Amino acid sequence: ELKVEQNPLFLSMQEGKNYTIYCNYSTTSDRLYWYRQDPGKSLESLFVLLSNGAVKQEGRLMASLDTKARLSTLHITAAVHDLSATYFCAVDRGNFNKFYFGSGTKLNVKP
Amino acid sequence: GAGVSQSPRYKVAKRGQDVALRCDPISGHVSLFWYQQALGQGPEFLTYFQNEAQLDKSGLPSDRFFAERPEGSVSTLKIQRTQQEDSAVYLCASSPSSRGTQYFGPGTRLTVL
Repeated sequence: ELKVEQNPLFLSMQEGKNYTIYCNYSTTSDRLYWYRQDPGKSLESLFVLLSNGAVKQEGRLMASLDTKARLSTLHITAAVHDLSATYFCAVDRGNFNKFYFGSGTKLNVKP
Repeated sequence: GAGVSQSPRYKVAKRGQDVALRCDPISGHVSLFWYQQALGQGPEFLTYFQNEAQLDKSGLPSDRFFAERPEGSVSTLKIQRTQQEDSAVYLCASSPSSRGTQYFGPGTRLTVL
């Protein structure tokens, strides 16, 4: 069974600071997805990382994938309050892509 | 364009009642997924359809859970004889192919009293 672990689970940070969320997974996969979830809302797709070494950036968020280390990172640059949400990573194992989600990282950016 | 829609958004059931949750995927999406999300947790896979075929139901927690997608578009997740442990948010997602980004609906929050 594929296990996905995120850390930290909770992150409180000041506006303007940088931080990184980590996502480890237990077995081989070449695709990793990052989602954002606001309270009471559904999941919004942020990034799809399709290969080893892939890097994607959108605004203050940058995601990367190291398939050899089975590790993805989501880096937050100069955080702003609007980034407060829960961030999930998810991994699939090929066709018929059942997603395996991490437990989520709840980010609170304080003004 | 229209995203994935789910109804009802909220459902309160007495223990032992049957419930039916509906999902309308994005038009033309062949793949449809159901997930269960407990409070403070990530979504957990329940079942997967490709068109009308249910290809994976390994995540359904018991035989009280049943899903269908008879015409390859709208799907219904049915839970019979609901139990308190069934309380969760049930998310539906669709995808245009057999692999790739899944687009999630707003979910149905089920509370079993």
